[in-house]
Amino acid sequence: DTGVSQDPRHKITKRGQNVTFRCDPISEHNRLYWYRQTLGQGPEFLTYFQNEAQLEKSRLLSDRFSAERPKGSFSTLEIQRTEQGDSAMYLCASSLTGISNTEAFFGQGTRLTVV
Amino acid sequence: AQTVTQSQPEMSVQEAETVTLSCTYDTSESNYYLFWYKQPPSRQMILVIRQEAYKQQNATENRFSVNFQKAAKSFSLKISDSQLGDTAMYFCAFLPQGAQKLVFGQGTRLTINP
Repeated sequence: DTGVSQDPRHKITKRGQNVTFRCDPISEHNRLYWYRQTLGQGPEFLTYFQNEAQLEKSRLLSDRFSAERPKGSFSTLEIQRTEQGDSAMYLCASSLTGISNTEAFFGQGTRLTVV
Repeated sequence: AQTVTQSQPEMSVQEAETVTLSCTYDTSESNYYLFWYKQPPSRQMILVIRQEAYKQQNATENRFSVNFQKAAKSFSLKISDSQLGDTAMYFCAFLPQGAQKLVFGQGTRLTINP
């Protein structure tokens, strides 16, 4: 499968624990995006990378959240001291260039449940 | 700030029927892009169709077509000859020119019944 891959698919954690998600984009894609989707809502933008540079962050990305894309390949999204409000689907997407020119391909997401 | 509104939380039609999903948006931008994405149950979101705001002609992709009304800020999706595999959440999304942040609506859950 050469699509966008996310790991794990599901994560249940206790409040206060740290969690880390991984996204492997399509190999030649230099843009990578993170979105959060809560139940019954559309995805909300969190951040995006062009190669290894993080170029934009949403206000939704509090200081408990950090995203990295070392070497411009895979990306990780870490949430520290998780709260119940962090429960959501975390979606990763990638595109060859800007998404006004090329299609963004989404992964299947990581569903986080904080108990 | 841009907003996207999908006023139909759920829709249900019979197989082979035509269905139209509504989307309105609010922006002060003159150049932008609009998209419809499909999210099947437990599967990844895929792009259905896109429209550049500077193009007057409505986009068409096989059974999927849009009715883009720029002055009314309306962007509806028509699915002709609906199939069981069209069952999914459908999201309308907005992208200002030069931006990288998609703004999504709340989604419409479409069910195609046999």
